[in-house]
Amino acid sequence: AQSVTQPDIHITVSEGASLELRCNYSYGATPYLFWYVQSPGQGLQLLLKYFSGDTLVQGIKGFEAEFKRSQSSFNLRKPSVHWSDAAEYFCAVEPSSSNTGKLIFGQGTTLQVKP
Amino acid sequence: EAGVTQSPTHLIKTRGQQATLRCSPISGHTSVYWYQQALGLGLQFLLWYDEGEERNRGNFPPRFSGRQFPNYSSELNVNALELEDSALYLCASSLGGQTGTDTQYFGPGTRLTVL
Repeated sequence: AQSVTQPDIHITVSEGASLELRCNYSYGATPYLFWYVQSPGQGLQLLLKYFSGDTLVQGIKGFEAEFKRSQSSFNLRKPSVHWSDAAEYFCAVEPSSSNTGKLIFGQGTTLQVKP
Repeated sequence: EAGVTQSPTHLIKTRGQQATLRCSPISGHTSVYWYQQALGLGLQFLLWYDEGEERNRGNFPPRFSGRQFPNYSSELNVNALELEDSALYLCASSLGGQTGTDTQYFGPGTRLTVL
């Protein structure tokens, strides 16, 4: 069965430090890949997406992610974290071989930013 | 451009009652998706509507149902409410009619509390 794993439930970084959030997926072919962010009590905001092509994708708010086929990973990075980045981050995949409309989400990673 | 809107923001019901949640997609989008975000269970796919038709359904009982109207807005109905139905219900929309490379944009959600 397809699955998405975000190994880190909670991460704390200092403001200005770099950030990497991990995401691994289990799927036979390369799926479509997404990162969303959710602030407390809010909906999900799309940060970036990967469908094909260049494996390093740029998103909003200074985020980027790199698709590594050999590691089945799609890790999210930011060079310098701001206090406003504190939120919950979700990695999601959609199988590329079938049109199900279904996004499969990881469990989420809560990011805390220390001043 | 207005994003996905959902109403009401909060909804409080008692066990056994029915709840109706509403969603208006981004202008030009024909697909609407519903997800449940329950504490401890993560984000789970409920339903997908496109062009007025139900295209896919997640692993939820039949008392979860919905419809899509000619203007592409959607309703989610939950009958015979149970305590475990308490969750944030998120609606998303996309351009529709495409396989895979269709990005879902989320609304702010409806917080349903069942007492």
